[in-house]
Amino acid sequence: AQSVTQLDSHVSVSEGTPVLLRCNYSSSYSPSLFWYVQHPNKGLQLLLKYTSAATLVKGINGFEAEFKKSETSFHLTKPSAHMSDAAEYFCVVRTGTASKLTFGTGTRLQVTL
Amino acid sequence: GAVVSQHPSRVICKSGTSVKIECRSLDFQATTMFWYRQFPKKSLMLMATSNEGSKATYEQGVEKDKFLINHASLTLSTLTVTSAHPEDSSFYICSATPGLAGVEETQYFGPGTRLLVL
Repeated sequence: AQSVTQLDSHVSVSEGTPVLLRCNYSSSYSPSLFWYVQHPNKGLQLLLKYTSAATLVKGINGFEAEFKKSETSFHLTKPSAHMSDAAEYFCVVRTGTASKLTFGTGTRLQVTL
Repeated sequence: GAVVSQHPSRVICKSGTSVKIECRSLDFQATTMFWYRQFPKKSLMLMATSNEGSKATYEQGVEKDKFLINHASLTLSTLTVTSAHPEDSSFYICSATPGLAGVEETQYFGPGTRLLVL
C-alpha cells in the first residue's frame, strides 16, 4: 500500500522568507511523487514531479523538491515566498504503472506581509 | 495547454433529485478520466477511473449505482449523482490524461464542482 503524510496542515511565512512544506511517503515500490497546488476556485496545478530521474526536481514558480529515499521524504521548498504562493499544497504518490494517485491531506500555506 | 473544465462550478439541489456534472478536456483528447471527491480539510479521494468507450472502474466503497459515470467521447465525461442526499454534499473534481490508465501520464485537473444537497 502507498501513502503520503504531510506533516503540517498549516504553514505561515512572511513574504520574502523561505518556504518548507514537508512530505513523507510510504511505498512498496519505486514511487513517482508529485506536488500539486490548489488555489481557491481553480483546478489543481502540477508544480513538479519526481519519476526516478534526478533526485532534485525543479518545478514552476521557483519551487523545488528533493527526493530522499533514505528518509522517505519529498519536501517542497522555495527560497523566497510571494503573496501569490498562498494556497493549498498536496503531496501525491503514484506507485507502479497504474495511474492511481494517492493524495496527502494538504498543507495550507499562508504568506503574510 | 492541457486545460480541463467542469460544469457547473456549483450546484444546489433538493434531496432525492439527480445532478449531472460535466468534465471536459478542452485542448487534448482524454483517453482516461478520473473522478475524485474532496471533503472539507481532507485530501482527494479517488472515486472511479473511466476509459473512453468502456465502463468505469469504481474504487472500493463507491456505489456505482449512485454515482453514474459516462465517458462517451474523448473530451467529455459525466458524473451523475442519483437520488442525492445531504451526505453527498461535497466538492467533486475530475482529472484527465491523454493516455490509458496503466500508462504513466500526468493528470490534469478540473476546477471542481461544489454540490450542496438540501
